Amino acid sequence: KNQVEQSPQSLIILEGKNCTLQCNYTVSPFSNLRWYKQDTGRGPVSLTIMTFSENTKSNGRYTATLDADTKQSSLHITASQLSDSASYICVVSPRGVSYGQNFVFGPGTRLSVLP
Amino acid sequence: SQTIHQWPATLVQPVGSPLSLECTVEGTSNPNLYWYRQAAGRGLQLLFYSVGIGQISSEVPQNLSASRPQDRQFILSSKKLLLSDSGFYLCAWSVTGTGELFFGEGSRLTVL
Repeated sequence: KNQVEQSPQSLIILEGKNCTLQCNYTVSPFSNLRWYKQDTGRGPVSLTIMTFSENTKSNGRYTATLDADTKQSSLHITASQLSDSASYICVVSPRGVSYGQNFVFGPGTRLSVLP
Repeated sequence: SQTIHQWPATLVQPVGSPLSLECTVEGTSNPNLYWYRQAAGRGLQLLFYSVGIGQISSEVPQNLSASRPQDRQFILSSKKLLLSDSGFYLCAWSVTGTGELFFGEGSRLTVL
């Protein structure tokens, strides 16, 4: 069964500190992996998308890594800001499946950045 | 550029009342459209998806239905709401082959 797990479930850090969020998946065959940021009460917004051949991708202070062999991804946030407080969702797409099942969602990590 | 609009943003309804949530996409043609529900502290659950006008696939048996009367319009409905229908509903769209999924702003439904 295709599944996506994320850890930790929640995280509290101080403003200016770095943090790393983890995503493990069992989706196979693999097509791509995305990280989304979801502010409270809003829709998710895409941060990065990575394909099988990509190891690292950055978007400002956000850096995503992918190890397709171990089926793990991480999202590293540098110099955190209060506005980084949100849920971060890992989404993996299997290759060659019907449209309705082509996005497998993780439960998300809730990040709180304190002043 | 493409945009997605979803409304209403917030809705409080009594048990047994009907529901209609609407979603429209602008700036693209023949998108794949999705309705998701997100319970508090949990992941997104796919409810319905559509690959074309009048083509609806249901992923979870429930008290809800969906319709796609126009290419870029997706509607989530219920004839009689249950308490368990409360949640955060998200409309989303994608284009085949791009690998991207774009979400609306969401609709918070509270059933009392």
